Amino acid sequence: QAVVTQEPSLTVSPGGTVTLTCGSSTGAVTSGHWPHWFQQKPGQAPSTLIYDTSNKYSWTPARFSGSLLGGKAALTLSGAQPDDDAEYYCLLVYSGVGVFGGGTKLTVL
Amino acid sequence: EVQLVESGGGWVQPGGSLRLSCAASEFTFSAYWMVWVRQPPGKGLEWVASIKKDGSEKYYVDSVKGRFTISRDNAKNFVYLQMNSLRDDETAVYHCVGGGFWGQGALVTVSS
Repeated sequence: QAVVTQEPSLTVSPGGTVTLTCGSSTGAVTSGHWPHWFQQKPGQAPSTLIYDTSNKYSWTPARFSGSLLGGKAALTLSGAQPDDDAEYYCLLVYSGVGVFGGGTKLTVL
Repeated sequence: EVQLVESGGGWVQPGGSLRLSCAASEFTFSAYWMVWVRQPPGKGLEWVASIKKDGSEKYYVDSVKGRFTISRDNAKNFVYLQMNSLRDDETAVYHCVGGGFWGQGALVTVSS
């Protein structure tokens, strides 16, 4: 089974910009891995932010965007707010089977 | 408002079985793949199984193959996860997910 890697932790200042990445042990991440991004706050169920690399849901704040960057999937947060302090998980799909990354704890400070 | 509501969780001894159900409402259920995701206490997310819109394709994480079965009933807007031969390390909150929406989860505790 593939291993999906994320930064364990990142810090961003309020109003700042940060990029979280999602790599694959099998090589470059492509759109064929259908990258997804999720946000989870303590005590809550996760919420889906991005699907299929860069698509947003109606509830996804505009300050979040998804892309492919340097062989990885990326989630960019532009104009961080205190409410964005949370755990972020990416998901890649390998021939129908999903694999989550270990999560990135994003601190807005 | 879209709702995904899981039920059927509880305590079971190692080697035992449970069947989780997920009821979808205000949701075009048959238009989406449905997925089960679990999260052990204090740990990260683990993808468990998925099922295609019409039920014709199913996928499982290696660790549950042969023990878990995902199914759906598009007429009733339900997705199920039959879990057999449960192991201690499968204690987790089990979420159903579809169309970007998550249920709040059902706690499954495997312990002797």
